[in-house]
Amino acid sequence: GAVVSQHPSRVICKSGTSVKIECRSLDFQATTMFWYRQFPKQSLMLMATSNEGSKATYEQGVEKDKFLINHASLTLSTLTVTSAHPEDSSFYICSAREGRNSPLHFGNGTRLTVT
Amino acid sequence: QQQVKQSPQSLIVQKGGISIINCAYENTAFDYFPWYQQFPGKGPALLIAIRPDVSEKKEGRFTISFNKSAKQFSLHIMDSQPGDSATYFCAASKRQAGTALIFGKGTTLSVSS
Repeated sequence: GAVVSQHPSRVICKSGTSVKIECRSLDFQATTMFWYRQFPKQSLMLMATSNEGSKATYEQGVEKDKFLINHASLTLSTLTVTSAHPEDSSFYICSAREGRNSPLHFGNGTRLTVT
Repeated sequence: QQQVKQSPQSLIVQKGGISIINCAYENTAFDYFPWYQQFPGKGPALLIAIRPDVSEKKEGRFTISFNKSAKQFSLHIMDSQPGDSATYFCAASKRQAGTALIFGKGTTLSVSS
C-alpha cells in the first residue's frame, strides 16, 4: 500500500533556530500533500496544502513566513519552521493521497521540541 | 474550517464489548467519511471509510453506519480488544484531489481486559 515517510521523527532545537521536516511519498507520486499540526491530546489541525510546483495554500491563522513549505517534486514536500519558539513545539504530521479516489495516508509525524 | 463534531471524548469498554463513537458534520458537500486510528507518537492510520451512497460498511470488527439525512456517522467496534485502545478520529472531506480532511476532536478508547 501507499507509504508516506516523514523525517526526522523527533527533533529538539533551540529557540530562534530553524528546523526542516521532510515528507516523502515512497511508492507513489503526490501532486498534493497536506501538513497537519497536533497538540497533545488534541485533534489534527490542517496547516497548509502543499502543491507540487506551486505555492502552498495556508489555512487561516497559519503564518506562511514562519512555516515555509516547499513541494519541489512529486515525492517530496518539506516544512521549515523558521525562528522557532517554544510555542511551536508540537507534533507535525504530513499526508498524501496517491490519486483522486485513493485514501489519505499519513506519515508517522515529527515531534518538535523547542527549548 | 468546516466543523466535524465527535463524541464521546473518551470511552471505556470491557473486553468483548461494543465500542461506539459518533460524529456529525455540517457541510453537505462532504462526500467522503473515513475513520482513523492513532497510537501515541504515531501518525493516524486509516481504519475504514464510507461514501454517502451507502448506509453501512463493515470490515472485520469495524462497522461504519451513515445517516445522510441526519448528517451523522458512527464507528462500531465489535468484540473490542485491549489492542484496540487508541485514539479514534472521524473525518470528512470532499472526495477530490487537493482536498484535505477535516478531523473531529478524537475519542480516546480504553478497552479493559
